[in-house]
Parts: sequence; C-alpha cells; structure tokens
Amino acid sequence: DTEVTQTPKHLVMGMTNKKSLKCEQHMGHRAMYWYKQKAKKPPELMFVYSYEKLSINESVPSRFSPECPNSSLLNLHLHALQPEDSALYLCASSDPGTGGQPQHFGDGTRLSIL
Amino acid sequence: DQQVKQNSPSLSVQEGRISILNCDYTNSMFDYFLWYKKYPAEGPTFLISISSIKDKNEDGRFTVFLNKSAKHLSLHIVPSQPGDSAVYFCAASPGPQFYFGTGTSLTVIP
Repeated sequence: DTEVTQTPKHLVMGMTNKKSLKCEQHMGHRAMYWYKQKAKKPPELMFVYSYEKLSINESVPSRFSPECPNSSLLNLHLHALQPEDSALYLCASSDPGTGGQPQHFGDGTRLSIL
Repeated sequence: DQQVKQNSPSLSVQEGRISILNCDYTNSMFDYFLWYKKYPAEGPTFLISISSIKDKNEDGRFTVFLNKSAKHLSLHIVPSQPGDSAVYFCAASPGPQFYFGTGTSLTVIP
C-alpha cells in the first residue's frame, strides 16, 4: 500500500474537457511534486510545491494548472489537453529538509486524451 | 539532455546470483542518489539511497556503491529473488529536484 494516494487511477477525456487529478499524503511532508511519465521513459518533473508554495515550474504549458490547497493535498487541473499529453501522471512527496530525503510516489493516474 | 543515464535497458539474472545495475551521471553538483523499484501499474517505490559523503550504503540484500570520481553508481542485489523482477530507476538530486535515469528492467529467472 502506498502512502501517497492518487485519484482517479485512470482518466479518459476529450480535448475540450476540464478535469482534475488529486493527490493526498499524510506523512507530514512539506514538499509535493507532479511528474509526467511516458512509456519507457523516466519520470519528468513538472511542478514542485514547498510549504504549499509553488517553487519550481519546469516550463509546463498553461493547460496544466497545479494547486496546493493545504500541506496534505495537491491537485493538477487539466484543460484543453492535447493527445500528446496522454501519459502516467505521478505525484510524490518528501520532507524538504536540507536535502537527502527520498521522494515517496503514488501509483499514478493513467491519462488518455481522445 | 539526460543528466542521469542507465545504459542497460534490461538485465536477466538467475535466482540466487548477484544482480548489478549501473547508473552514470554528468552533473557534479548532484549530492544525493537513490534507487527506485517499479512494478507495472504501480508508482516507483524507494529502495535505497546514498549521499555524496559516502561510497557505500547497505540495506539487507541491497547495496549501493558510489564512485564520485567516475560519476557512477551501482546497485547490487544479492541473492537475487524472482520477486525482484521489476524496472529499477536511479535518481540523483542537487536539491529539491530529482533527475531520473531511463530505467533497467531486471528479470530474475527461477
């Protein structure tokens, strides 16, 4: 069982739809991350939140909009996505500390854009 | 520009033998290194880590070795078990960001 919970596990949406991915952790971690992973590729960092503030945005298109309502929750709002956005979206959390802390991942949301 | 590389996409090992997975990196600012294991339909699971002040870290059957001068790390699994069959990612971090390798698919043959 993972300590980082992502919902939904699967999502199919059209290019004009608006949907949200959700991530929740109760480990007291104050850093949370969104990654995108395509088949046979490594996870690619999208966003980092540290103490509920966006600290890193890896030049992600504006059709992806992250939100961190509190220290346990992380959302990724999706709008007007493209077929190439189909991928596994992974959420992770860690203790930001001074470094040297592993990230703990959820099982991901498998997103398909029609 | 891939800063962390795993040059072997796959590896097959007999049960009971040693599995050695390799990883190279290019950025000398990386000071924390990790290995993750990933089963299909699951997220990566943290396995073992090492900081740049050490050259070896051991946890049960898993040992990670770091050669800073060669910018190389390796994961040794001994003895290998069929349940170890998975994709293994190495990752490196200079701070809040983690950079992942492309993964090595390990198959342990019973």
